[in-house]
Formats: sequence, C-alpha cells, structure tokens
Amino acid sequence: QSVLTQPPSVSAAPGQKVTISCSGSRSNIGSNSVSWYQQLPGTAPKLLMYETNQRPSGIPDRFSGSKSATSATLGITGLQTGDEADYYCGAWDTSLSAVVFGGGTKLTVL
Amino acid sequence: QVQLQESGPGLVKPSQTLSLTCSVSGGSISSGSYYWSWIRQPAGKGLEWIGRIYTSGSTNYNPSLKSRVTISEDTSKNQFSLKLSSVSAADTAMYYCATTPEWGLGLVDYWGQGTLVTVSS
Repeated sequence: QSVLTQPPSVSAAPGQKVTISCSGSRSNIGSNSVSWYQQLPGTAPKLLMYETNQRPSGIPDRFSGSKSATSATLGITGLQTGDEADYYCGAWDTSLSAVVFGGGTKLTVL
Repeated sequence: QVQLQESGPGLVKPSQTLSLTCSVSGGSISSGSYYWSWIRQPAGKGLEWIGRIYTSGSTNYNPSLKSRVTISEDTSKNQFSLKLSSVSAADTAMYYCATTPEWGLGLVDYWGQGTLVTVSS
C-alpha cells in the first residue's frame, strides 16, 4: 500500500494528451514539492519533473506538472510510442520523515 | 554529473544480512551537496524508499524498515553502504542507490543502474 495514490494505468493514442494523477495528504504533497519519475522497461527510474513543475535539462516541454492542495498531476502532450513507461510520483513526507512514492502508473500509447 | 554503481551479493539466505555498496564518481560524498539514498523495487511492483545518509552522518530511514536498516558512508573510498538484517523473501528486489540534492528534500535526481538481490536458501 503506497502512501501516494496513482491510477494503475492510463492509455491514449499517439499525438494525444494524457494526465496522471497523484493523491496524497497534508504531510506530503500538501506541504512539500512533488517529483515525477519515468521508468522505461528494464531500466532505472529517471527524474522527469521536480519542484512540482520544473523539468531537468533534456526533458521536453511536452511534459508538465501541477499541484493543487494534496494532489498533483503529470501531463504529457503529443504522445509518442517512446513515452510508454511506468510513471511514479514522489514527495517528502514530513510526518514520516521519509520519501514516499506512488504505486506507479503504466502508460500505454495505443 | 554524479554516477552511481551498486555492488554486492546477488543471493542472500533468509535470516541473513543483505549488504550492498554504492560507488560514487563525479562527486564527493563528503561535499555536503547530496543526501545518499537507497531505494528498492520488487519485480513488477513500485518503488520503496529505504533510507539515506547525509555527509554529517545523519540518517533517515523508512519507518517500516528502520529496525533492520543501517546506511553508512566510507569517505576514504567515496562509497556508501546498505545493510538490511534478518532478510526474508519479501526483501527480494532490485536495489538502487541514488542521490537527493541537499536542497531537494524529497527529490531523487541521480540513480544507479540497480542490482538484483534474491533472498533464497
């Protein structure tokens, strides 16, 4: 049981837009920044978004992030088959003094 | 850019202690720029943060693992290590070492490639 809640899967057609939600509580998303990670099959996770809506160097602006209260959202526009991956949200939990992750969302580009 | 490489036994017997080391290049673990972390992922499942150490030697651990985990650093070798005691099959997972910038609290920016540890007799 993950502290942050994500939908198990989402899907959309190439070129379309998809959003992935991440729900938490006041002690994590509600009071700290959210990060997002992309894990391609058979590889280590890669940082995709930090400080809720900041993209590391090399991440295209097709990826965006937002947050409202205790929930965060990752948006991906102009979907490509190469975007098929598992996506995880993460945040610091002040009550646990620990990093917490969502259970992951599998993105399928149909 | 920091690069991380995990090493250690791929097979551990139940009830024994799992020991892994992360070798760091491209940065110094004594620089104060990063927290040095361990994260694991059972096959087909999600990420679980194990804990981290800061240059001062201070640590944070996942409350669910705290009683069994020790993370330490060896500044002379620019490495940090994970020890997980009393392992069971539930501890079988891919183990990643990773970094969090000292300003980043919950952010994990650099990841090692991971090392698979199987707990089995």
